[in-house]
Amino acid sequence: QKEVEQNSGPLSVPEGAIASLNCTYSDRGSQSFFWYRQYSGKSPELIMSIYSNGDKEDGRFTAQLNKASQYVSLLIRDSQPSDSATYLCAVSRTGANNLFFGTGTRLTVIP
Amino acid sequence: GAVVSQHPSRVICKSGTSVKIECRSLDFQATTMFWYRQFPKQSLMLMATSNEGSKATYEQGVEKDKFLINHASLTLSTLTVTSAHPEDSSFYICSAEGGIDEQYFGPGTRLTVT
Repeated sequence: QKEVEQNSGPLSVPEGAIASLNCTYSDRGSQSFFWYRQYSGKSPELIMSIYSNGDKEDGRFTAQLNKASQYVSLLIRDSQPSDSATYLCAVSRTGANNLFFGTGTRLTVIP
Repeated sequence: GAVVSQHPSRVICKSGTSVKIECRSLDFQATTMFWYRQFPKQSLMLMATSNEGSKATYEQGVEKDKFLINHASLTLSTLTVTSAHPEDSSFYICSAEGGIDEQYFGPGTRLTVT
């Protein structure tokens, strides 16, 4: 079982719609959760971090964490073509100082 | 804040030569930096964890004698790819740890070995 799993996609949504990205993780003791955005040929950019159960909103982005179910999601409201990228879920596992990354979900927002 | 730079952004070298890549945290100090490699259409693969003033910790399957890491200060870590071969061609990305487990990535270095 992989540490962090994501649907590779591609996920296509029309402009203005809500894009929903999901991620599950295997270590129940994980404490820190992150969403990174990576444009093609570029390095990842941190867009959201979440540490406790519930929702965290930042502009058009909302991260949701459910530790009991071991999943974390990212909602992008009013999706724009510029949101088209690969979104990486990352988890900090207990006892490790490095992050475990999922393989990423490729999102395409259609104008 | 939390800006990480990498140099060079792109390098082409001949097989058998060595290449050094620098990673700098510009506006914060980073005790820990990480080196990743990413092949086309694949996710990030952690190569090693670099701790200031101590030896790097390499992931399984990564040759420490081939990928030399030095973290001599709180703002600089270097990765040297020794005796590079075409199969080492990849996108090398560093990150620096800041905040609570947060990692901030450099812009990456695209290495092509001919």
